Amino acid sequence: AQTVTQSQPEMSVQEAETVTLSCTYDTSENNYYLFWYKQPPSRQMILVIRQEAYKQQNATENRFSVNFQKAAKSFSLKISDSQLGDTAMYFCAFTFYNQGGKLIFGQGTELSVKP
Amino acid sequence: EPEVTQTPSHQVTQMGQEVILRCVPISNHLYFYWYRQILGQKVEFLVSFYNNEISEKSEIFDDQFSVERPDGSNFTLKIRSTKLEDSAMYFCASSEEGVRADFGSGTRLTVV
Repeated sequence: AQTVTQSQPEMSVQEAETVTLSCTYDTSENNYYLFWYKQPPSRQMILVIRQEAYKQQNATENRFSVNFQKAAKSFSLKISDSQLGDTAMYFCAFTFYNQGGKLIFGQGTELSVKP
Repeated sequence: EPEVTQTPSHQVTQMGQEVILRCVPISNHLYFYWYRQILGQKVEFLVSFYNNEISEKSEIFDDQFSVERPDGSNFTLKIRSTKLEDSAMYFCASSEEGVRADFGSGTRLTVV
């Protein structure tokens, strides 16, 4: 069975600092996508960043970037210049290529950005 | 920017009652999903729907659950006889190509 593991239930960071959230996954498939979703206190699920497994280049979206290590099945999220609005629950998620988009989520990491 | 809309935002229902959660996916999307998040826990897949039929469902999605796309715009989740343990946040999502999913803001279901 495919699993996604986030080993850090909670993290905190000072405003303007950089923080890295960890995620590992387990699959025997070769073609898949990885995502980070943000869930602020409003509980809306917001897509932060996406990575295709066939791409070696790490995805970047403004202050958010990933470190994708396919052999190690690791997919960490780096948030640079942290802002108070980044305070949220962050979920790592996984879906197979061409299988309809069902997402498998990790348990989440609660990030607090402190002023 | 188009978004997935869910109604109501909060629903309270008596145990044993039927409840229907409603969603309006993004108009050109072809794949539709329901997810559940029990308070403090991770988001769990319930069901996916494509081409007017269920394409995949989880073990959570038992005979008490059903989905329907009654017209060209709505996508509903029905829980036939609610139990206390059905209390959760229910998210609808849709996808154009079956990869990136856009989520609605959720319906908080409270069963009393």
